[in-house]
Amino acid sequence: AQKVTQAQTEISVVEKEDVTLDCVYETRDTTYYLFWYKQPPSGELVFLIRRNSFDEQNEISGRYSWNFQKSTSSFNFTITASQVVDSAVYFCALSESGSYNTDKLIFGTGTRLQVFP
Amino acid sequence: DTGVSQDPRHKITKRGQNVTFRCDPISEHNRLYWYRQTLGQGPEFLTYFQNEAQLEKSRLLSDRFSAERPKGSFSTLEIQRTEQGDSAMYLCASSVRTLAAQAGTQYFGPGTRLLVL
Repeated sequence: AQKVTQAQTEISVVEKEDVTLDCVYETRDTTYYLFWYKQPPSGELVFLIRRNSFDEQNEISGRYSWNFQKSTSSFNFTITASQVVDSAVYFCALSESGSYNTDKLIFGTGTRLQVFP
Repeated sequence: DTGVSQDPRHKITKRGQNVTFRCDPISEHNRLYWYRQTLGQGPEFLTYFQNEAQLEKSRLLSDRFSAERPKGSFSTLEIQRTEQGDSAMYLCASSVRTLAAQAGTQYFGPGTRLLVL
C-alpha cells in the first residue's frame, strides 16, 4: 500500500539555522509523484514542489532545497537560514494513480516547524 | 489569478443537523478533490471528480456524505445528520492533468472548519 512517513513530529530551531525535514515513502507504482506542501497557522495548504519518479535531480528554490533519492525512498526538504515566517506544518505527499487516474494524494502526518527569533 | 475558494470558512452546528459546503475550483481545472483533515493529521482523501463525474470515493465517505459537481464547475459536499466525529477541516483542491498524462499539481482552498457540538 502507498504510505508516507514523516518521523519528525516537531522541530524547533533558532532563526538562521538550517533545518531538514525528512520524508520516506512506500509505493508499488513505477511512475509516481511526490509533493511538499506548507500549512501555516491560517490553515491553507500551500504547494511548494512536485517531483516525478524519473527525475532524481535535486532542486533548489531560494532558501529551499529538496533531495530525492529513489534508492532510499526518501524526499527530504531543507530550509537554509530559516526565518520566523517559515514556522508552519510541512506535509510530504505521494500521488496514487488509482483506477481512474485519480492521482489522489497520500499525505504524511506532517512536521511542525517552529522557528524562534 | 483566482485560486480555489471555499465557503463557509467556519461552520458550527449541532449534532444531527445537515451542513453543506461549497468549493469553487480554479476555472480551467477539470479535476476536483475533497479531503478531510483532523487535528494533528495530514489530509485524507474523500472523493474525486473529473468534470461532473464522481469517479472515486473513499471508504471514509459514509452514506451520510454526498458530493456533487453538477456542471463540472463548483462542487458541494453535504453531511447529513452530523456527528461529533465529523468535526474536522474539509479541504477542496483542484488540478488539471496534462496531455502527457502527468499528475497535475493539486491547489488547495482555505478549507471549511466544521465543529459539531
